[in-house]
Order: sequence, then C-alpha cells, then structure tokens
Amino acid sequence: GQQVMQIPQYQHVQEGEDFTTYCNSSTTLSNIQWYKQRPGGHPVFLIQLVKSGEVKKQKRLTFQFGEAKKNSSLHITATQTTDVGTYFCAGRETSGSRLTFGEGTQLTVNP
Amino acid sequence: DTAVSQTPKYLVTQMGNDKSIKCEQNLGHDTMYWYKQDSKKFLKIMFSYNNKELIINETVPNRFSPKSPDKAHLNLHINSLELGDSAVYFCASSQDWGNQPQHFGDGTRLSIL
Repeated sequence: GQQVMQIPQYQHVQEGEDFTTYCNSSTTLSNIQWYKQRPGGHPVFLIQLVKSGEVKKQKRLTFQFGEAKKNSSLHITATQTTDVGTYFCAGRETSGSRLTFGEGTQLTVNP
Repeated sequence: DTAVSQTPKYLVTQMGNDKSIKCEQNLGHDTMYWYKQDSKKFLKIMFSYNNKELIINETVPNRFSPKSPDKAHLNLHINSLELGDSAVYFCASSQDWGNQPQHFGDGTRLSIL
C-alpha cells in the first residue's frame, strides 16, 4: 500500500533559524496536504498542493510539490516560538482516494 | 461554535472496561473519520464513514466498533480495553470523500490503568 515518509522526525532550532521538513511518497500523488498540530492540540489544515512543481507561500512558510509529484517540502524562514508543533504531510494516491499521513516532524524552537 | 466536538476530552479507566467516545460535527460535512495518535505522534486512520456508510475499516481489533447514527455523528465504542489502547483518539470530518481538507476535533485522551 501507499507509504508516506517524513524526515526528520524531530528538529530543534534556535529562534530565527530556518526549518525544513521533507515528505516522500512511495507512489505518485494526486495531491498533498499539510497540517500543523500544536502541543496538546489537534491537527489543523494548512494548505493543499495539486500541481507538479507547485510552490505556495503563507507568510514565512513555503510549500513545494515535487515535479514528479512524489515528494513535498515545508520550509519555515526565521522560526518563531509560535511555530512549535508537529507538522504532518498527507497524500492521496489518486484523486478522491484515502489520505495517508506521514509520521510528522516535531519542531521545537528555543528562544 | 465548535466545528467538530468530541466527548469526553479525557478518559481514564481500568483494563477490561467498555467505553464510548462521541463525536459531532456542525459543518454539514458528509464524511467523518476516527484516528488514533500514539505517544510518538503517529496518526493512524481507523475508520471512515461517508453519508453514514463505512468506507474505511483499517486493521483494528474488532473490540473497536464505530457507529454513525446520522451524517453529523460518528461514535466509537471500545470493548475490553487493553493497555495498548492508551492514546489520543481524534475525530475528523471533511466536506466529502474527495480532496477536501479534514477538520479535527480536540481529541480524547484515553488512559488505561
């Protein structure tokens, strides 16, 4: 079955440093979604990418979908303590199929 | 106005007991889900219902039984609770069984003594 892998599992950064998490799928994806879960909270939808090579930005967050639609990344520029949490990618193999979540990257930011 | 609400928020119980977790969404969505999140934060799909019909039933013990009385509700009943059932259980909903984002509830933190 489809597998979605995320690296790293943990990342500790100093406030102001950049952060990137990578998501790789064993199969070509129709689309990919990103979620953020604050400590003690629930996953919250951030964005969806659909097109090959697509890049979307949300303030300091940049999301990319690979040309082959098998990988994706989330980059945060100049991290802040409010960025702390676990970031999940979630991919669909075909449009309308089940969403498979990656293992998540837990980000801690030291002030 | 909570979009996806779960009750209870915390559940502490003894091994062998039977318990239920309730979930309601007021978003008018057609599809609802149950996820289990373990201590390592892995998020595993357990069940999904679309328009009250079961469409995903992952390999979970048959001690877990979902029930969807209507599109707005998806409850989870667990029989004979075991230590390994300790986790956070999230309910979620999406507009339909398609490419829509999923909206999660606050989670139910289940601890088995």
